[in-house]
Amino acid sequence: AQSVAQPEDQVNVAEGNPLTVKCTYSVSGNPYLFWYVQYPNRGLQFLLKYITGDNLVKGSYGFEAEFNKSQTSFHLKKPSALVSDSALYFCAVRPQGTGGGNKLTFGTGTQLKVEL
Amino acid sequence: GAVVSQHPSWVICKSGTSVKIECRSLDFQATTMFWYRQFPKQSLMLMATSNEGSKATYEQGVEKDKFLINHASLTLSTLTVTSAHPEDSSFYICSAPERVDSYEQYFGPGTRLTVT
Repeated sequence: AQSVAQPEDQVNVAEGNPLTVKCTYSVSGNPYLFWYVQYPNRGLQFLLKYITGDNLVKGSYGFEAEFNKSQTSFHLKKPSALVSDSALYFCAVRPQGTGGGNKLTFGTGTQLKVEL
Repeated sequence: GAVVSQHPSWVICKSGTSVKIECRSLDFQATTMFWYRQFPKQSLMLMATSNEGSKATYEQGVEKDKFLINHASLTLSTLTVTSAHPEDSSFYICSAPERVDSYEQYFGPGTRLTVT
């Protein structure tokens, strides 16, 4: 069975500072990894994905994530946080191949709060 | 990117009544759609996979007779909460991959259900 851990319920960062939202995963075989963002009372918006290739993935709104196979991690990062980045962030995983279909397993989410 | 809509965005119903939530893919055809449930400040819980032209596949612990899913066409899936009770109050989100082999899913904006 696959699983995702987001160890921090909340991350606080000052505007202009770099931010990191942590994610580790467990899956059989190689993973497909995703980050989504959710604003209050809204659905999820796709930020970025890792499928294969370069371990550093760049996504929307200046976010990036680094896939680390040895540490089974996929931490989300941004060099300079904005107040508008404040939202709930979800990491998700599915195994490669078609055996699992497109079913995603989500982490518990990390609330990011960026303050002036 | 592909767009998924949901209707209604919020609904209030009385205990014992049924309520239907629609999920539509606006600019693509979706043979598969997913229904999630999200409690406040918690992760998304996959409820079921909706398959066009066949029965939905429910996750363990989800009552299929209570949460009726119909994938009526390649652009529409409906979730009917039957004999709703206050504990069914939640945020319901649907998603769909743009193609069967797509890596990512597109999420609807969600439906807030409140049962009084």
